[in-house]
Amino acid sequence: NAGVMQNPRHLVRRRGQEARLRCSPMKGHSHVYWYRQLPEEGLKFMVYLQKENIIDESGMPKERFSAEFPKEGPSILRIQQVVRGDSAAYFCASSLNRDSNEKLFFGSGTQLSVL
Amino acid sequence: DAKTTQPNSMESNEEEPVHLPCNHSTISGTDYIHWYRQLPSQGPEYVIHGLTSNVNNRMASLAIAEDRKSSTLILHRATLRDAAVYYCILSALLQGAQKLVFGQGTRLTINP
Repeated sequence: NAGVMQNPRHLVRRRGQEARLRCSPMKGHSHVYWYRQLPEEGLKFMVYLQKENIIDESGMPKERFSAEFPKEGPSILRIQQVVRGDSAAYFCASSLNRDSNEKLFFGSGTQLSVL
Repeated sequence: DAKTTQPNSMESNEEEPVHLPCNHSTISGTDYIHWYRQLPSQGPEYVIHGLTSNVNNRMASLAIAEDRKSSTLILHRATLRDAAVYYCILSALLQGAQKLVFGQGTRLTINP
């Protein structure tokens, strides 16, 4: 009964490098959500994906950020050419359905630090 | 997105009940009221949700006003492990997605 698994737990990158954050949803869940939490702030929605499809990316920065959820394997949040302002905790959540009364199950997050 | 208003912080004593209020005066008829909490250095954790009727589960109770413009999360007997930020969120299908929009939440401190 593994929950939502995110790795790595901590990721350190230098400015200009790429960051790849992985998220394996709960077994049987095909809906994945990514959130970002800046220090001392609330969680901000980034993107919602179903298998092989991006459904809502209204919270994603227009440049450098991309997300995918392939048919096989984990969902990936990719940040190219990272900058110091990308330092944050990135949380992934999954759900069984997309109904408005559906629970979201969150992972423990990836703490990204950009030097 | 419908907005919620919560106090920034609250404090309570161990083994006493805690009532966490939330105002959502612009709630629509199809919005569910969700509560999540976030312990330090962890991801958010589902607590409870409801639509119109009061709800109980093993973690907490949710009391929803008759006009649905406010709700209260009730922790019946707080423990030190209940110290967290509690988020009250209205959930609706937006652009085909069940999107939870988190506010600032209420930081709950429990005194031993």
